[in-house]
Amino acid sequence: DQQVKQNSPSLSVQEGRISILNCDYTNSMFDYFLWYKKYPAEGPTFLISISSIKDKNEDGRFTVFLNKSAKHLSLHIVPSQPGDSAVYFCAASPHFGNEKLTFGTGTRLTIIP
Amino acid sequence: DGGITQSPKYLFRKEGQNVTLSCEQNLNHDAMYWYRQDPGQGLRLIYYSQIVNDFQKGDIAEGYSVSREKKESFPLTVTSAQKNPTAFYLCASSLGGSGKGNEQFFGPGTRLTVL
Repeated sequence: DQQVKQNSPSLSVQEGRISILNCDYTNSMFDYFLWYKKYPAEGPTFLISISSIKDKNEDGRFTVFLNKSAKHLSLHIVPSQPGDSAVYFCAASPHFGNEKLTFGTGTRLTIIP
Repeated sequence: DGGITQSPKYLFRKEGQNVTLSCEQNLNHDAMYWYRQDPGQGLRLIYYSQIVNDFQKGDIAEGYSVSREKKESFPLTVTSAQKNPTAFYLCASSLGGSGKGNEQFFGPGTRLTVL
């Protein structure tokens, strides 16, 4: 049972445009969400997170939006750059400070120059 | 220069042999984790440890074993009982403890191929 779903396995976006990566979850106990970026043959690196008490969190070119009623979150990257080409994983946990993360299957983002 | 190291980066073993993957961190983190990644799948939790000399099974612990004798080290043994051991293995650590955040820091990974 996949509790965190990333339904788009891949996404291609023109350089300079906006990239939108989506994530849905089914477990209503999830309260804290994170996005990770992963290059091939490397470990994931943390990008940005959001708590359920917020609906938006911004960090430079990266913004995460959370719609708790729809159990949906999205990561916006503006403007998209070639170095953003990677696999992006959404992760969730029951609350801030709980160590166990449940990961989605990932979305491969390709930025076209 | 703090971080998580995993060695080796590539590992080949014959079927039926046990193999131990190394994970060391110098971030002074209490919690450590082992994940497995297969093509087209997310990261699946094998084992995790919130404190020295204690660890818990994750979602796919069968065929694996761990130890946590030191805060810095969390080795993973892939035993011959693991039916499909070929995968990319990732170790991670976090501060641990309630209220300290969920962010996990990952090592570079070990790709294990069983021939």
